[in-house]
Amino acid sequence: DIQMTQSPSTLSASVGDRVTITCRASQSISSWLAWYQQKPGKAPKLLIYKASSLESGVPSRFSGSGSGTEFTLTISSLQPDDFATYYCQQYNSYTWTFGQGTKVEIK
Amino acid sequence: EVQLVQSGAEVKKPGESLKISCKGSGYSFTSYWIGWVRQMPGKGLEWMGIIYPGDSDTRYSPSFQGQVTISADKSISTAYLQWSSLKASDTAMYYCARHNGDYSDYMDVWGKGTTVTVSS
Repeated sequence: DIQMTQSPSTLSASVGDRVTITCRASQSISSWLAWYQQKPGKAPKLLIYKASSLESGVPSRFSGSGSGTEFTLTISSLQPDDFATYYCQQYNSYTWTFGQGTKVEIK
Repeated sequence: EVQLVQSGAEVKKPGESLKISCKGSGYSFTSYWIGWVRQMPGKGLEWMGIIYPGDSDTRYSPSFQGQVTISADKSISTAYLQWSSLKASDTAMYYCARHNGDYSDYMDVWGKGTTVTVSS
C-alpha cells in the first residue's frame, strides 16, 4: 500500500503569513494527488486536484505543486477562514489513501 | 445543484446490524464512482471503499475488506454502507463522496456525514 506522510502535523501561523504543507508518498504517484480542507464538524472540501489544478470557487491564494513522491500545498497569505485541518490524498491503481492531516492554528 | 444527502445519525448496540445511505442528485448518479470515508473521533480521514452505481463494481481498502459491505440502488440514486455486526470501534463519522477526474482520482462532492455511535 502507498503511504502518505504530511508535515508538519501542526502549524502555528498568523494572518497574512505564507504557509506551506508538504505531503510525501511512499512511491511515485505521478500527479494523482488532491488536497482537502476540513473545518470542525464539517465535511472535507476539495481545494486542489491533479497536484496543481485549483477546484472551481477556491481562492487563488491556494496553490499546489509537485509530482512523483513530493507535493506541497501553499497558502500565499493566510486568512482567518483558512484555520483548519488540511489533508492530502493519493490515487494509484484503485487505491486511495489520505495523509494524516495538518492542523493550521492561530499563532 | 449537485449534492449527496446522507441518512441521519444512528445509535446502535454492539452486535447489531446497520445500513446507512447516501442519495445523489443533480448529476448522472450512474456515471460517477461513490466512495465512503471514515473519520473516527478526533482522528483523520480513512478511505474505505468505492462503488460504481452503473454496474455495482465495488472495490475495498484492505483495511475494510470483509468488515463492511458497499452497495447501490441506481433506480433511486442511492449508495449504501452496511455492517452485519457492529463493534464499539465502528463509532465514527462516515462520509460519502463523489469521485471525479481522469481516474476518479479525487472527491469533489461530499455528503454532510452520518454519525454512527456503537455503545452498550
